[in-house]
Amino acid sequence: AQSVTQLDSQVPVFEEAPVELRCNYSSSVSVYLFWYVQYPNQGLQLLLKYLSGSTLVKGINGFEAEFNKSQTSFHLRKPSVHISDTAEYFCAVSDGTDSWGKLQFGAGTQVVVTP
Amino acid sequence: ETGVTQSPTHLIKTRGQQVTLRCSSQSGHNTVSWYQQALGQGPQFIFQYYREEENGRGNFPPRFSGLQFPNYSSELNVNALELDDSALYLCASSLGGTQVDTQYFGPGTRLTVL
Repeated sequence: AQSVTQLDSQVPVFEEAPVELRCNYSSSVSVYLFWYVQYPNQGLQLLLKYLSGSTLVKGINGFEAEFNKSQTSFHLRKPSVHISDTAEYFCAVSDGTDSWGKLQFGAGTQVVVTP
Repeated sequence: ETGVTQSPTHLIKTRGQQVTLRCSSQSGHNTVSWYQQALGQGPQFIFQYYREEENGRGNFPPRFSGLQFPNYSSELNVNALELDDSALYLCASSLGGTQVDTQYFGPGTRLTVL
């Protein structure tokens, strides 16, 4: 079974500084990778996804992620954060062997942006 | 285009009771998945429905059951509620029929079991 590890439970960062959120997954078979953001008391919003092709994926709100098959990683980055980026970020993987699009989530990384 | 909606927003029940949560899928989507998100954790897959049939189930007991209707809306039913069932329940809809499906989430229903 798939597992997803988000290496940091909380990441404090100053406004306009860069941020990287780390994500590793367990499987070596073909996977589809996602990053979702959850603002307080809300559902999940898709930031970006990797299905195939270029390993550098660009998403909404200036976020990007790089798929590294050899390291089984899918780290999320943003070069300059805003206060509004304060939220919980979830990495998720779908391995395509079960229900269509069924997602296995990591435990989440709380990003706290301060002035 | 209408997104995924869920009702109710919040719900308080006592142990042993039964609850029904509802989800309306995004326009054009025929697949609905349900997830449970306990406080401080990532969402856990409960089950998925495709064209009114269950299409996969996570590690949840049979007292968690569901339905999908001809208009592709869905219900999640939980019988004999336990304290550990307190969580945010998320519904996600997708086009279905492909392993590269992207799921779009609703705002969730916050269930508290006392």
